[in-house]
Amino acid sequence: EIVLTQSPTTMAASPGEKVTLTCRASSSVSYMHWYQQRSGTSPKLWIYETSKLASGVPNRFSGSGSGTSYSLTINSMETEDAATYYCQQGSSYPYTFGAGTKLELK
Amino acid sequence: EVQLVESGGGLVQPGRSLKLSCAASGFTFSNYYMAWVRQAPKKGLEWVATISTSGSRTYYPDSVKGRFTISRDNAKSSLYLQMNSLKSEDTATYYCARRPGITSYFDYWGQGVMVTVSS
Repeated sequence: EIVLTQSPTTMAASPGEKVTLTCRASSSVSYMHWYQQRSGTSPKLWIYETSKLASGVPNRFSGSGSGTSYSLTINSMETEDAATYYCQQGSSYPYTFGAGTKLELK
Repeated sequence: EVQLVESGGGLVQPGRSLKLSCAASGFTFSNYYMAWVRQAPKKGLEWVATISTSGSRTYYPDSVKGRFTISRDNAKSSLYLQMNSLKSEDTATYYCARRPGITSYFDYWGQGVMVTVSS
């Protein structure tokens, strides 16, 4: 099973601040996917296949990485970006998710 | 508009069974792999099962293999999860999710249904 480790677990950012969330895999994966989950709602696909933005996702978001190290970056934090972000790999079964990074507004 | 609506959740005793349903609309259901993903209270996401377009192939993690069965009825655009021998650790919100083509991500999720396993 591929274990995904997200860091930090929790962080706070001010409006306009650049934010980087990381996801490390215990073995190499082909792609990483990211989901955003706001409190009390279902997860939403946010970034797929490492760097492709899902429909409706603002272009201040970007994704990058390869092998065992991936990241999600927000160029300029906005209020609506406060949420928990999960990474997910589907390179091999069982599909696994990271434990999430909770991003709060400072 | 793609919609996934889960139903069938509730309170069930340990060792008993429960069947979840997911009604899909707004897309050609038979063209997509489908999956169940769960989230224990205040916890992260856990993949539970995936089924191929025809239903001939199914996939499970060890945590539910042999106890849970995913199935689908393409004529009814419906997805199911039969859960047997339920344990307290199966308590979670269960989401139905769509997986496009030969990809490995989930592009649409339902609103979720709560399952509580307790005596």
